[in-house]
Amino acid sequence: AQKITQTQPGMFVQEKEAVTLDCTYDTSDPSYGLFWYKQPSSGEMIFLIYQGSYDQQNATEGRYSLNFQKARKSANLVISASQLGDSAMYFCAMREATRGTGANNLFFGTGTRLTVIP
Amino acid sequence: DAGVTQSPTHLIKTRGQQVTLRCSPKSGHDTVSWYQQALGQGPQFIFQYYEEEERQRGNFPDRFSGHQFPNYSSELNVNALLLGDSALYLCASSSGTGGWGYQYFGPGTRLTVT
Repeated sequence: AQKITQTQPGMFVQEKEAVTLDCTYDTSDPSYGLFWYKQPSSGEMIFLIYQGSYDQQNATEGRYSLNFQKARKSANLVISASQLGDSAMYFCAMREATRGTGANNLFFGTGTRLTVIP
Repeated sequence: DAGVTQSPTHLIKTRGQQVTLRCSPKSGHDTVSWYQQALGQGPQFIFQYYEEEERQRGNFPDRFSGHQFPNYSSELNVNALLLGDSALYLCASSSGTGGWGYQYFGPGTRLTVT
């Protein structure tokens, strides 16, 4: 089974509007972390926001917020007041507590391409 | 504060050749992870290095090997290149206990195998 599922290959949003990018995950580990990264055409993965599995409140970072619904295994990214510079690929990723090794590799989804329309 | 750097930016190799990619972690970071991102896909974990040892490995063949140096920089080596190895190779660094901190990515090396 896929650990991270992003069902929206592409999304369009009007400038200054809000947009939600969907992400569902699959894990049996009680301790995990969820991340969103932005990847512009240049290729660099830019860290946006993090949510820990034990965090009681939804994470927020400026115009980014993470709608964390643990029972539904959902971690949607909400971008408020979209800007033209937000046009990029967005990836949801999960880190599990890999017991014994201490490793913390990320599992990524297939991404959503967001296009902001002027 | 320098972020994660990778070299070279682009590389073209012929099938069967060997390639070495380099990564310098963000200042203060001691853990380096490598990912392969094929066109139109999300990054796939190759392996992670900590204290100069491979700590975990993803589902990649032994043709993919790595090394971490005492200054925490790292190399990714790929032998006997295949056309399917063409991809963006991303390096990420992190720190914290057991490298549990956030992973920060470099700009990547785009490898083309012809």
